[in-house]
Amino acid sequence: EAGVTQFPSHSVIEKGQTVTLRCDPISGHDNLYWYRRVMGKEIKFLLHFVKESKQDESGMPNNRFLAERTGGTYSTLKVQPAELEDSGVYFCASSQMRADTQYFGPGTRLTVL
Amino acid sequence: GENVEQHPSTLSVQEGDSAVIKCTYSDSASNYFPWYKQELGKRPQLIIDIRSNVGEKKDQRIAVTLNKTAKHFSLHITETQPEDSAVYFCAAREGYALNFGKGTSLLVTP
Repeated sequence: EAGVTQFPSHSVIEKGQTVTLRCDPISGHDNLYWYRRVMGKEIKFLLHFVKESKQDESGMPNNRFLAERTGGTYSTLKVQPAELEDSGVYFCASSQMRADTQYFGPGTRLTVL
Repeated sequence: GENVEQHPSTLSVQEGDSAVIKCTYSDSASNYFPWYKQELGKRPQLIIDIRSNVGEKKDQRIAVTLNKTAKHFSLHITETQPEDSAVYFCAAREGYALNFGKGTSLLVTP
């Protein structure tokens, strides 16, 4: 079974630019989560999808972040415009049911210069 | 919201020794406590988890204990090996979002 995949693995952009991160969950997993780890801090929850619906986006830092999951398959997380404090590793995770194990992707390391 | 504290932040042990990592949580409604291991450059992987109706769970050299009254849970690794070297994250879940500790960097020296 293929695991959660994320693209790109690394992204280096300048402040003010736009970046879009992509996550492909495990096939059949309705639940998809985005998390972020800023250097030296804990992994923090950003938002949760069930199929194509956002269930909770309380962890999204501000309106520069937009997540979508059209069709209930892969998800994208867009940061526009990027700021220096957005640098970190963005993880995606998926689970079949809400109470199930969350399987993580390898993350996208975002560096904003 | 839930706050998870994890200690120590770094831990160095000799091969064959035991390692213990401790976490505390604040929300008594949390009912699921997973531990993830992240090796350098790789994804976090679940190594063991425990639910609130269980006090202890073992899987070979790894065990987790949970004290709901005190709101703390611990990871125990026995007979450590160099391949156990990694960052370990504890987490607590009340609804569906995982709330993580800051991680423990474990180094096992031969």
